[in-house]
Amino acid sequence: ETGVTQTPRHLVMGMTNKKSLKCEQHLGHNAMYWYKQSAKKPLELMFVYSLEERVENNSVPSRFSPECPNSSHLFLHLHTLQPEDSALYLCASSRGLDSASTDTQYFGPGTRLTVL
Amino acid sequence: DQQVKQNSPSLSVQEGRISILNCDYTNSMFDYFLWYKKYPAEGPTFLISISSIKDKNEDGRFTVFLNKSAKHLSLHIVPSQPGDSAVYFCAASAYTGTASKLTFGTGTRLQVTL
Repeated sequence: ETGVTQTPRHLVMGMTNKKSLKCEQHLGHNAMYWYKQSAKKPLELMFVYSLEERVENNSVPSRFSPECPNSSHLFLHLHTLQPEDSALYLCASSRGLDSASTDTQYFGPGTRLTVL
Repeated sequence: DQQVKQNSPSLSVQEGRISILNCDYTNSMFDYFLWYKKYPAEGPTFLISISSIKDKNEDGRFTVFLNKSAKHLSLHIVPSQPGDSAVYFCAASAYTGTASKLTFGTGTRLQVTL
């Protein structure tokens, strides 16, 4: 138990569906992240939020839409996805602001997404 | 262009022996390095880290070594235990002032045999 939870753990959706992934951190952290892990590829950073402001968008298609309503919650809204978007989506959090260069990210268990 | 490389996709070690996992990076701006362990169907679990101002960090059975001139780091696990069997990811961090950006390697699958 890392203090970062993600729901749902598994999600199957059609290409025309709209769904959302939820992440919650109980660590009092200031920064939150979305990563994507596809088969045989390294984890790819998607979005970075610091104090609810998006500070990084790593060239992610607009069919992925993040939302950070407060520093404990992070959502990833999905719409009109493609089968190649099937992957493990991981959320992470870190102290951020007051960590200097030793900022450690802690990950949730991930959501396994399958797009049919 | 992969900035963090783990060239060994898998490693098999006998229980009680030393496991050595290697990682190379290319970007000199990375200033903090982390190792994560991942079991199937779970998220990566933070294991140990090292700042670029150090060359060694030890935590129990786990030691990370950093050679900045060679842009190389390694994770030593001794003695190795069957529960250590997992995929190990090396990550390099560049701090932005408000958050960190991690670049991951592709992972090394460690199998500890009896």
